[in-house]
Amino acid sequence: GAGVSQTPSNKVTEKGKYVELRCDPISGHTALYWYRQSLGQGPEFLIYFQGTGAADDSGLPNDRFFAVRPEGSVSTLKIQRTERGDSAVYLCASSSSIGSEQFFGPGTRLTVL
Amino acid sequence: GENVEQHPSTLSVQEGDSAVIKCTYSDSASNYFPWYKQELGKGPQLIIDIRSNVGEKKDQRIAVTLNKTAKHFSLHITETQPEDSAVYFCAASWAGANSKLTFGKGITLSVRP
Repeated sequence: GAGVSQTPSNKVTEKGKYVELRCDPISGHTALYWYRQSLGQGPEFLIYFQGTGAADDSGLPNDRFFAVRPEGSVSTLKIQRTERGDSAVYLCASSSSIGSEQFFGPGTRLTVL
Repeated sequence: GENVEQHPSTLSVQEGDSAVIKCTYSDSASNYFPWYKQELGKGPQLIIDIRSNVGEKKDQRIAVTLNKTAKHFSLHITETQPEDSAVYFCAASWAGANSKLTFGKGITLSVRP
């Protein structure tokens, strides 16, 4: 079956611009996670959704970052006033329930010039 | 919070030999330990996982062992093949309220033909 998909695969933007990154989880998966991976590092947790609500957003670095999942399926990560330090690969993962295996998408590579 | 350390950062083995990758974790409440394989330009792929109620799990050429007392777990790959060359990440989580994963920094495994 289809895995987790993310769009776009690559995004280049200028400092100060607004960007949206989209994640389509595996059908039926209720839990959705966003992680950020900098070069040479492991993924770092950003935010977790159970259904439509953000159950844990403790990993969001500051208030320029926001994520939504209005219908409990697709999620969008939104970054305002982008900075060069936001450049990274943004990964989305989903799981069928809390505590189950997390399956990752291919990621969106964000480059802020 | 949880801290996961992974050593060494690179490992090179001859095709057909075994490879062992070790990780330590800090939070004794963690009870779920997955291993992910990441190839260049792709998202992490779950290859095996273990929960704290077992000490070892095996799947064909791959096995994982867990020592809860010492708070470390290891990935064992036997009969390595060139296609095993990738970056391997260990992670830990508490499969409870949110199951967010804390990752190590990754190890680059090179299998020499």
